[in-house]
This record gives sequence, C-alpha cells and structure tokens, in this order.
Amino acid sequence: EVQLVESGGGLVQPGGSLRLSCAASGFTVSSNYMSWVRQAPGKGLEWVSVIYSGGSTYYADSVKGRFTISRDNSKNTLYLQMNSLRAEDTAVYYCAREAPTEYNWFDPWGQGTLVTVSS
Amino acid sequence: QPVLTQPPSASASLGASVTLTCTLSSGYSNYKVDWYQQRPGKGPRFVMRVGTGGIVGSKGDGIPDRFSVLGSGLNRYLTIKNIQEEDESDYHCGADHGSGSNFVYWVFGGGTKLTVL
Repeated sequence: EVQLVESGGGLVQPGGSLRLSCAASGFTVSSNYMSWVRQAPGKGLEWVSVIYSGGSTYYADSVKGRFTISRDNSKNTLYLQMNSLRAEDTAVYYCAREAPTEYNWFDPWGQGTLVTVSS
Repeated sequence: QPVLTQPPSASASLGASVTLTCTLSSGYSNYKVDWYQQRPGKGPRFVMRVGTGGIVGSKGDGIPDRFSVLGSGLNRYLTIKNIQEEDESDYHCGADHGSGSNFVYWVFGGGTKLTVL
C-alpha cells in the first residue's frame, strides 16, 4: 500500500526551528516528485515546497530562505527543516507525492502534522 | 499566476445532488483543475482532474461513480449525486502552474465545506 506518515510537529516559539519528517511506504521517495503543502487553521491549502527526483528543490516565496526540503534515501523519508518560524507558519503540514504518471496530481497525501508557532 | 475561487460552504440533503464550483481567474480558461476531498481530521484525497473537455485521466482510488466533473469557460465543476453521509467533507480545487521558470508550483482554492443535511 502506498502511504505517507508525517511526524515532528509541535509547539515552537517565534524565531524557533522544527524539522518535519514524512515516512513513505509502498514506493521510493527519491524516484518521485515530493511536496509539502500546509493548511492554516480555517484556511485553504498552500503549496510550500517540492523536491524533484533529480534533487532540485523549489519553494513558495512565503518560506524561501527559511525552509529547506530534503530527503534521506536510506530511510525513504522526506524532511522539511523550518527555521525562523513565524506565527503565520502555524498550520497542519502535509506531505504529498505527485503521481508518477503522465498526470501529476497529488496522490497520496499524508495525514498531516500540526505546527503551532506561539509564545 | 492563476487564482482559484471557491464558495466557502454548500449543503445538500441526503440522497440529493450538489454541484461544487471552482472558478479560475481571467486568462486561465485552458487550465485543468484537480479536485480533492478532505474528511474531518484527515489528509486530502485525490478525486479527479477536470478540464474544459471533462474528466482528464481517471478517478482517484475508491471514488464512487456518483462523483462527476465538467468544465466550462473559467469554471470547473464537481457534481455529487445521491449524496451520502460520508460525502460530508471539505472539497479543494488545485492547479499546477509553470511560470516559464524551470519548475511547476501549485495553487489552491480556499475550499468548500459540504454539509449533508
């Protein structure tokens, strides 16, 4: 079964750091395009970052320079290192795979991990 | 970049039908849109992709035949027939956008909360 499981969320003070993990099963992370998408409380989805199979990484302007996406091939796990966190980063963070077909929709998604930035 | 607009809420009675709308901003009438279902406390689940010609590709795993899509002009529609209790969810639309740079990023609508009466 193709599955994603996020972890690492929690409460952090403004200016602090947190690293999220996304463990994959049923497929190989390094062979796929993998993204982080977040959802602030009561808001819609917001794309955050992507890592391509070749290793290229890209970010939304709202997190550029503060967040870093990476992967550990040996652990088949995706990461999101979040630094200089702000209150507006408070959200549920989801990892998702772009389907490895001619159609690149997001499938599957994880269940999400909540990040709360507050003093 | 495109902007996707969704009404914040919709409701329908058990067994009835409902059509949810996702509207693309002007100039993006050729864009395809993905629909995602998000049940309370869960991650989103792919439903299907829609363009002006209708469904693109196949439905997501386990999506019943009661779900269908249409596209017209700037609007992308998701219709659910014979609504069941388990259809009560948030429905999000999303689209990928390559701005001429060497990567594609994604934009989403604000989501529509569907209540089953």
